[in-house]
Amino acid sequence: AQSVTQLDSHVSVSEGTPVLLRCNYSSSYSPSLFWYVQHPNKGLQLLLKYTSAATLVKGINGFEAEFKKSETSFHLTKPSAHMSDAAEYFCVVSEDWASGSARQLTFGSGTQLTVLP
Amino acid sequence: DAGITQSPRYKITETGRQVTLMCHQTWSHSYMFWYRQDLGHGLRLIYYSAAADITDKGEVPDGYVVSRSKTENFPLTLESATRSQTSVYFCASSELDRGNQPQHFGDGTRLSIL
Repeated sequence: AQSVTQLDSHVSVSEGTPVLLRCNYSSSYSPSLFWYVQHPNKGLQLLLKYTSAATLVKGINGFEAEFKKSETSFHLTKPSAHMSDAAEYFCVVSEDWASGSARQLTFGSGTQLTVLP
Repeated sequence: DAGITQSPRYKITETGRQVTLMCHQTWSHSYMFWYRQDLGHGLRLIYYSAAADITDKGEVPDGYVVSRSKTENFPLTLESATRSQTSVYFCASSELDRGNQPQHFGDGTRLSIL
């Protein structure tokens, strides 16, 4: 069975400084990994996904994540935070990108990102 | 606009009442999902549907009923609401049932049961 751990429940950064949101996963197979963002009173929006191709994945709004199998990590980064990035971020793992099911996603408990002016 | 629409956005009801949360998608996606979001638990799958008239239980199905008579609609019913079902409910859809398929989410229904 897969699992996912978001290492920080809250992260605060100043506008213009780098963002790092940490995610570790556990999977027996070849996982797919996703990062979603949730703004207040909104649903989850896909930021990026990893599915066994390039290990460095670029997403929307300047975010990227690197899949590191040896460290079982999939940390989300952005070089320069913007006020509009303040939201909750979820790391999500799927057991196997090819044979796994869309219904077998495991969601992390979320990281709340605060961006200070 | 294409997407997933959930209604109502907010609902307050009393224990023992029946309440139905609506979900409508315009993509014609085959797969649809209901999740609940609670502090400290992330999102947990309640039910999912592979197509019209095909539904199955997820991780936390007790106390919920679903139906899917049309591809675009996937209502979730709490037959006799309990306080433990106070939560934010999200509907989602995906085109394929593959591990690498992202899901598309509605904006949620915030349900309070008094």
